[in-house]
Amino acid sequence: GNSVTQMEGPVTLSEEAFLTINCTYTATGYPSLFWYVQYPGEGLQLLLKATKADDKGSNKGFEATYRKETTSFHLEKGSVQVSDSAVYFCALSDRETSGSRLTFGEGTQLTVNP
Amino acid sequence: GAGVSQSPSNKVTEKGKDVELRCDPISGHTALYWYRQSLGQGLEFLIYFQGNSAPDKSGLPSDRFSAERTGGSVSTLTIQRTQQEDSAVYLCASSFYHYTDTQYFGPGTRLTVL
Repeated sequence: GNSVTQMEGPVTLSEEAFLTINCTYTATGYPSLFWYVQYPGEGLQLLLKATKADDKGSNKGFEATYRKETTSFHLEKGSVQVSDSAVYFCALSDRETSGSRLTFGEGTQLTVNP
Repeated sequence: GAGVSQSPSNKVTEKGKDVELRCDPISGHTALYWYRQSLGQGLEFLIYFQGNSAPDKSGLPSDRFSAERTGGSVSTLTIQRTQQEDSAVYLCASSFYHYTDTQYFGPGTRLTVL
């Protein structure tokens, strides 16, 4: 079946540091890939997405590139801010095997210190 | 416009009682999803409704769980004879129907079974 694996957290960085959160996936079909973010006390919201190989999703300074050859969708940001502290979830949907429902990774807690 | 709303925001119940959780999706969204977020299991899919099609119930953990969607809009998730392992945050999401479409999540209902 489909699965998503994220790097283990928690991750603690200083402000303006470079961020990478690794995400790899297993899917039978041709999935769409997503990063969702959950800020403290708030609901899940979409951060970015990519729907086919080599697509790059970007939003709020975050980027992730859909790499089919390495089955990866790593999240990056060049300079993190305190306000980026949140839990980040990598997810996929695979129309061929599971329709539009999302399969999530375990989440990575990011804390950014001033 | 209004986002996905869920009620109640918190529910504390005694083991063995039945509970009903409500979700109001974004107007015009034809797809509605229920997920569960718990410490031990992460984010897991429960059930999915799409228009008038039969729901995808493949994620429901036991026959104590059921859900319905009336008039293609509001959905109710019912848990009968609650157990302590049912304690979790129950999330509802809605989207237009396509596997690449963004799912918009509600704030969740935190269920605690004593």
